[in-house]
Amino acid sequence: AQTVTQSQPEMSVQEAETVTLSCTYDTSESDYYLFWYKQPPSRQMILVIRQEAYKQQNATENRFSVNFQKAAKSFSLKISDSQLGDAAMYFCASTNSGYALNFGKGTSLLVTP
Amino acid sequence: GAVVSQHPSWVICKSGTSVKIECRSLDFQATTMFWYRQFPKQSLMLMATSNEGSKATYEQGVEKDKFLINHASLTLSTLTVTSAHPEDSSFYICSARTPWGGGATDTQYFGPGTRLTVL
Repeated sequence: AQTVTQSQPEMSVQEAETVTLSCTYDTSESDYYLFWYKQPPSRQMILVIRQEAYKQQNATENRFSVNFQKAAKSFSLKISDSQLGDAAMYFCASTNSGYALNFGKGTSLLVTP
Repeated sequence: GAVVSQHPSWVICKSGTSVKIECRSLDFQATTMFWYRQFPKQSLMLMATSNEGSKATYEQGVEKDKFLINHASLTLSTLTVTSAHPEDSSFYICSARTPWGGGATDTQYFGPGTRLTVL
């Protein structure tokens, strides 16, 4: 069974600062993919970034980057130059063999001016 | 591109009635659609995986006779909550998987969700 753990229920960051959201996972799959999704108050799920486990290079999307530590099964998200629009619930997720997503419990990110 | 719609966005029904929720991929063909359920302040939980033209695969603990899923075409999947009860009140979200790229590298796109309230 796959498990995804987000140990930070809430995080706060000041505008323009950097914040890191933690995620650890456990999987028996040999080939898998990891994702960070953002869910704003509208509840629309938005893909932030994804990482293919076979790639050693950490994924980057503009202000968002990940620190993927495969041996430690860690997949943290770094948000640089935080903006008010970044405030949302962030979910870490992994794929299973059927390609469905297995989500962590989420981290609520508050961005203060 | 890659837009997924859900209809209705919210619905209120009486206990004992059935409710159908539609999930459509608007500008791409989805080989697989997934249905998730999200209770307030909780994460998304996978209910079932739906492949076009075949029976849905349900997660453990999800009653397949209560949550009927039909994936009749590559752009439409429906979830019917039969004989709904107040405990079925929740936020239901679908996602559609594109075939581009193959394997698990292809991306899932999410619908905006449907809020179901059963009185």
